[in-house]
Amino acid sequence: GENVEQHPSTLSVQEGDSAVIKCTYSDSASNYFPWYKQELGKGPQLIIDIRSNVGEKKDQRIAVTLNKTAKHFSLHITETQPEDSAVYFCAACPAPRGFQKLVFGTGTRLLVSP
Amino acid sequence: GAVVSQHPSWVICKSGTSVKIECRSLDFQATTMFWYRQFPKQSLMLMATSNEGSKATYEQGVEKDKFLINHASLTLSTLTVTSAHPEDSSFYICSAEEPGQFYGYTFGSGTRLTVV
Repeated sequence: GENVEQHPSTLSVQEGDSAVIKCTYSDSASNYFPWYKQELGKGPQLIIDIRSNVGEKKDQRIAVTLNKTAKHFSLHITETQPEDSAVYFCAACPAPRGFQKLVFGTGTRLLVSP
Repeated sequence: GAVVSQHPSWVICKSGTSVKIECRSLDFQATTMFWYRQFPKQSLMLMATSNEGSKATYEQGVEKDKFLINHASLTLSTLTVTSAHPEDSSFYICSAEEPGQFYGYTFGSGTRLTVV
């Protein structure tokens, strides 16, 4: 089955700096890679996702890149703000049909200091 | 966008009692819902996949007699923790798949269960 590794486990940056979180996956059949932000005591919120037919996707200060050959994908947050502080999870999911399961990474606790 | 409502947001119960958690899709019909468990500072672990009108599919190691899942309608799935013990204390999260939307997973806000 799919296995997703995520690094780093914690990341501290100064406000305005960039933050990068990296994930690797094992199943070459996976073709959907979402990123979730989870604030304390809340459920995960989708912030950006990418499908395997795309190498990069950007949404304002957030971008995701995917390298299918190397089986890794990364989240990039530019101009970080204190409200970006949260736990971020990457996930991988195989083919689109049926009730496919998301496999989550171990999470990255991002702390943005003012 | 799609909204999934989960209730209660937190619950405290005594050992040996049962607790029911509800997950509702508010503006769409969800044939498939997922139940996750999350321990403090850990990732989400899938417990089971709930399918409307049929039995849930449990992940390996999850006791189906302890974690009863019912998906009786297209907008409601329930998770009942039976004979709860302190080790069942955790954060339980549901998600629903929006039909017709590739990868349209929406998560509920979670339920903090504390068993005393």
